[in-house]
Amino acid sequence: DTVLTQSPALAVSPGERVTISCRASESVSTGMHWYQQKPGQQPKLLIYGASNLESGVPARFSGSGSGTDFTLTIDPVEADDTATYFCQQSWNEYTFGAGTKLELK
Amino acid sequence: QVQLKETGPDLVQLTQTLSITCTVSGFSLTTYNVHWVRQPPGKGLEWMGAMWNGGGTDYNSAFKSRLSISRDTSKSQVFLKMNSLQTDDTAKYFCARLGNNYGYWYFDFWGPGTMVTVSS
Repeated sequence: DTVLTQSPALAVSPGERVTISCRASESVSTGMHWYQQKPGQQPKLLIYGASNLESGVPARFSGSGSGTDFTLTIDPVEADDTATYFCQQSWNEYTFGAGTKLELK
Repeated sequence: QVQLKETGPDLVQLTQTLSITCTVSGFSLTTYNVHWVRQPPGKGLEWMGAMWNGGGTDYNSAFKSRLSISRDTSKSQVFLKMNSLQTDDTAKYFCARLGNNYGYWYFDFWGPGTMVTVSS
């Protein structure tokens, strides 16, 4: 299985720029996607194919990377962005990262 | 408007069988694939398996032969059935649509999920 590793938590102030990383145990080309999940809700797609913004998602969100290293950037961060962010690959079946909990100071 | 909705029991007894229904609207099961993903309380997401638009299925090997996915296209429903439940099967179970663009496959719509507790 392709294992995805994310840092567990981050804390930033509103208005700042934050980058959330995801590292794959083997290359997934650009088959990496990002989701936002708020407590008690289902995941919401933000980015697909490493860098493509899903329709309706604010342009404050962006993604980059290929191979094994990927980044989700939020700039600027807003209070409503408090959530857990998951990466997910679809290059070798389907696996998810453990999630990065983003808190605002 | 694309929607998915899971319905199932809140509580299942240890070693018994779990059955959950995913009812979809706004798209056809013969056009899109629908997958099952679960999330134990406070933990991450785990892909379980898929119902392909052509009627085939695919399963996460972690569930071995415990898991079965089927569908009724006339009712726009996909079914999950998993036997021999253990306490670590306690989780919220989601169905999700697999979308596609630029050759990428990703989960573009999700149901709200149904929380299932396995009780001893």
